Amino acid sequence: DQQVKQNSPSLSVQEGRISILNCDYTNSMFDYFLWYKKYPAEGPTFLISISSIKDKNEDGRFTVFLNKSAKHLSLHIVPSQPGDSAVYFCAASRTGTASKLTFGTGTRLQVTL
Amino acid sequence: GAGVSQTPSNKVTEKGKYVELRCDPISGHTALYWYRQSLGQGPEFLIYFQGTGAADDSGLPNDRFFAVRPEGSVSTLKIQRTERGDSAVYLCASSLMGLEYNEQFFGPGTRLTVL
Repeated sequence: DQQVKQNSPSLSVQEGRISILNCDYTNSMFDYFLWYKKYPAEGPTFLISISSIKDKNEDGRFTVFLNKSAKHLSLHIVPSQPGDSAVYFCAASRTGTASKLTFGTGTRLQVTL
Repeated sequence: GAGVSQTPSNKVTEKGKYVELRCDPISGHTALYWYRQSLGQGPEFLIYFQGTGAADDSGLPNDRFFAVRPEGSVSTLKIQRTERGDSAVYLCASSLMGLEYNEQFFGPGTRLTVL
């Protein structure tokens, strides 16, 4: 049972435009969500997170939106840059304890010139 | 400061052999996690330690898998009687305990290939 889903395996965006990556979850106990970025042969790198008490969190070019009623979150990157080309993983967990992360299957973003 | 390190970076072994994978967490991080990532999938949780004890080992697929963290720092993931299906990238992560939010920092992984 896939509790965190990223239904788009890949996305191609032109440099300077907005990239929107989507993630859905099924477990209503999740209340903390993270996005990780992964380059080949490297471990995932933390990008941005959001708690369920918020519906938006922004950090520079990256913004994460959370829609709790729809159990949906999205990552917006604007403007997209070629260095953003990587695999992006959505992950979910429960706050209050050092608990495990449940990951989606990832979306490969390609930013073209 | 140093990040999470994992050794070896690559391990090739034969079916039925025993392997050990090592993880050095970020200094001061008391929580340590092991994940496994198969091709085309996201990382899947295996086990996590608070200090020296395994607080949650619900992700270990079977009793061929075992992990230790005897001094609350370095951890070793041990796989007995390896099978071809164990081939994957094994990722280690660490985090600070006591923080409200659980941001985990990952190492580069060990790519295990079982022939």
